[in-house]
Amino acid sequence: GQQVMQIPQYQHVQEGEDFTTYCNSSTTLSNIQWYKQRPGGHPVFLIQLVKSGEVKKQKRLTFQFGEAKKNSSLHITATQTTDVGTYFCAGLTNDYKLSFGAGTTVTVRA
Amino acid sequence: NAGVTQTPKFQVLKTGQSMTLQCAQDMNHEYMSWYRQDPGMGLRLIHYSVGAGITDQGEVPNGYNVSRSTTEDFPLRLLSAAPSQTSVYFCASSLQGAGIDTQYFGPGTRLTVL
Repeated sequence: GQQVMQIPQYQHVQEGEDFTTYCNSSTTLSNIQWYKQRPGGHPVFLIQLVKSGEVKKQKRLTFQFGEAKKNSSLHITATQTTDVGTYFCAGLTNDYKLSFGAGTTVTVRA
Repeated sequence: NAGVTQTPKFQVLKTGQSMTLQCAQDMNHEYMSWYRQDPGMGLRLIHYSVGAGITDQGEVPNGYNVSRSTTEDFPLRLLSAAPSQTSVYFCASSLQGAGIDTQYFGPGTRLTVL
């Protein structure tokens, strides 16, 4: 079964607002990756987090890896229409198995 | 560099037919994978390869075969198509391994089995 759970499944956001998507694992992860998939497109790598408590920023996107390395979050500030798509997290277990979350699909109201 | 390429982009099969989905990469990556994507289920690993001549099963391998005769190519074969195999199929490659470094995905093949 799916080891990495992602919530929410859908996020409807007013343009300019902030939102956060969460990724939770039942086991400790070696690292976690985030991908973005535009409608009709393919997943595109965004970032990888490796260290406990790590925080990385990409412009308006902030990624965080939990202290216990079992959860992660993606926070987007001042949402724009270009942020539309599905955001996936993928966790690598200690036995090198990569498990993808089901994704958070983001729509933006202009 | 073309990156990861997949053919065909769309395919419709009848139940019981067989076909091969093609995947190629020109980045000299050792690690290649096949995923299927179904609504609400994310990406599930079908088969993967850590180098030419080496393949292994992923999470959902039943009904699929793979081979890796060269570093560049990693075809996926559907032996006898079933409606449950209707999905979007993505091929991906990485230098060191999925989850270890960046995975590059192909544009996908949208398969419908009637």
